[in-house]
Amino acid sequence: GAVVSQHPSRVICKSGTSVKIECRSLDFQATTMFWYRQFPKQSLMLMATSNEGSKATYEQGVEKDKFLINHASLTLSTLTVTSAHPEDSSFYICSALQGTSTDTQYFGPGTRLTVL
Amino acid sequence: SQQGEEDPQALSIQEGENATMNCSYKTSINNLQWYRQNSGRGLVHLILIRSNEREKHSGRLRVTLDTSKKSSSLLITASRAADTASYFCATDPQGAQKLVFGQGTRLTINP
Repeated sequence: GAVVSQHPSRVICKSGTSVKIECRSLDFQATTMFWYRQFPKQSLMLMATSNEGSKATYEQGVEKDKFLINHASLTLSTLTVTSAHPEDSSFYICSALQGTSTDTQYFGPGTRLTVL
Repeated sequence: SQQGEEDPQALSIQEGENATMNCSYKTSINNLQWYRQNSGRGLVHLILIRSNEREKHSGRLRVTLDTSKKSSSLLITASRAADTASYFCATDPQGAQKLVFGQGTRLTINP
């Protein structure tokens, strides 16, 4: 099956710093990728839809200036958490669409962000 | 916002018993998917059922879909300790091209 990777898998940073998380589709091209956030013992909440070559579409309540998304190629989307604070500590998961249907959406293994 | 409600929120059973989890959703969908997530790990896709399907099987998994009631169930038969995980349903609302996840059921299988 198709593979999506995320890097890093775990990151610890100081409050006020910015952190970049990469999401790569390894064996297919993905015009559309998604970014989710998951707090402990909770479900995945969609943050934004990332489209190659265009601006991301953010879900209601997600600050686009805080969570910068760049989808510069068909195999890479990045999420940058700017000026991170402890409340941004969470599990961030990306997924990539192979094609246009959610039937073929593949998830990355997630990135655990801890902000001290 | 969450599309789906799942129940129970937590379920604890003995190994060998069957586990049933339910998912309800709000809008018309193209398909509904079930995922498993072990603690602190990524998602594992279990099964997809399309809106025109009523039941689907995969190994020890059985999924049903009732679009008139906007609900789905996941049955795991002959449970094993390794089935201990959180299970999420995810719907693909028509016209949305995205997945919306339910709140999840934490399943514990006691040996």
